[in-house]
Amino acid sequence: DIQMTQSPSSLSASVGDRVTITCQASQDIYNFLNWYQQKPGKAPKLMIYDASNLETGVPSRFSGSGSGTDFTFTISSLQPEDIATYYCQQYDDLFTFGGGTKVEIK
Amino acid sequence: QVQLQESGPGLMKPSETMSLTCTVSGGSINRSTYSWGWIRQPPGKGLEWIGNIYYNGTTYSNPSLKSRVTISVDTSKSQFSLILTSVTAADTAVYYCARLKVSGWSNFDSWGQGTLVIVSS
Repeated sequence: DIQMTQSPSSLSASVGDRVTITCQASQDIYNFLNWYQQKPGKAPKLMIYDASNLETGVPSRFSGSGSGTDFTFTISSLQPEDIATYYCQQYDDLFTFGGGTKVEIK
Repeated sequence: QVQLQESGPGLMKPSETMSLTCTVSGGSINRSTYSWGWIRQPPGKGLEWIGNIYYNGTTYSNPSLKSRVTISVDTSKSQFSLILTSVTAADTAVYYCARLKVSGWSNFDSWGQGTLVIVSS
């Protein structure tokens, strides 16, 4: 089984700050990595696919990078509407989600 | 735009068999470029993939649940279903159905709103 480790599990930042979330796979998953945003009481929403591709309609302040075992999700300028929990998900071998990162406003 | 809607029992007793259905509208369920899956989320916790069914009927399940999971599709009704046997309190969760895009890359690009299933005696 491939394990996905996200860090931090939560963070607090100010509006306008740059926010970075990391996701580490237990083995090489190439670029088979997606990122989702989940707001309270809502279903997850695809943000980034294939590690670095922005899903249609997602603001350009969101970005993703990485390959192999180490990946990064970045919000270049945090906005109040970005308050949510973010999950990485691998699809190299079946599907596994990371534990999530809760993003709050300071 | 495709829409997915889960339906299920809401409240169950331990050892019972859970049956959930996802109705797909606004798009065909019978396309090779998509697979249909189930993901769950226990209250206050993260996401757990349960399983998927593909165009050719092939199913894949989370190894931790595989012996208890059956996924099927009824194209005539544009629905797919999840059966989970011998439920316990640990199966209490919001259950989401989702569409998995499988052309080139794979991602869950459309989700239902989720349905809460509580297992309690």
